[in-house]
Amino acid sequence: EPEVTQTPSHQVTQMGQEVILRCVPISNHLYFYWYRQILGQKVEFLVSFYNNEISEKSEIFDDQFSVERPDGSNFTLKIRSTKLEDSAMYFCASRDPGPPYFGPGTRLLVL
Amino acid sequence: AQSVTQLGSHVSVSEGALVLLRCNYSSSVPPYLFWYVQYPNQGLQLLLKYTTGATLVKGINGFEAEFKKSETSFHLTKPSAHMSDAAEYFCAVSGLNSGNTPLVFGKGTRLSVIA
Repeated sequence: EPEVTQTPSHQVTQMGQEVILRCVPISNHLYFYWYRQILGQKVEFLVSFYNNEISEKSEIFDDQFSVERPDGSNFTLKIRSTKLEDSAMYFCASRDPGPPYFGPGTRLLVL
Repeated sequence: AQSVTQLGSHVSVSEGALVLLRCNYSSSVPPYLFWYVQYPNQGLQLLLKYTTGATLVKGINGFEAEFKKSETSFHLTKPSAHMSDAAEYFCAVSGLNSGNTPLVFGKGTRLSVIA
């Protein structure tokens, strides 16, 4: 069964550093998403991406965040200057157009 | 605008007992409704979904949920709990016929199963 994959599974970084989280969505899907889950809290929407552009973003997705689909398979989330409060599990998801399928997540820890 | 309320952040049941996890939603458009399960240190796995048609939907691992429009509810049930059902369960909603609409999640309910 096709699945969404994410790398790395865990990342530790220093505050102020840039991080790039990578995702490979399911190959025939057209809609891509990033969500995050701060420890003990609910899953929150960050951004959706369709037709090579952002289609919707939440208030969390400020100028420190960016997304890119650099080739036909990868979908990346970049955090330019990480803050302590960016520590969370980040989930990538894709859909077309049924239920979103989520990746296993990247656990980001900002020290 | 859409929102999800999951009643009870933690539910504990005995093995073999009925599991009932409550979810109420608010949506200005006909909803798609979902239940996801998250096992410790893992991602979100789709349990079941409601889009249109039959209001009682069956999912994986013996779970089912019933869409009740009049009650704006989508409660998750399983007749007999198993130890392996211990996990975090999330209810989510998105807009019907809105393929790109992001999901709005509830805060989750942690299910514990006691031997």
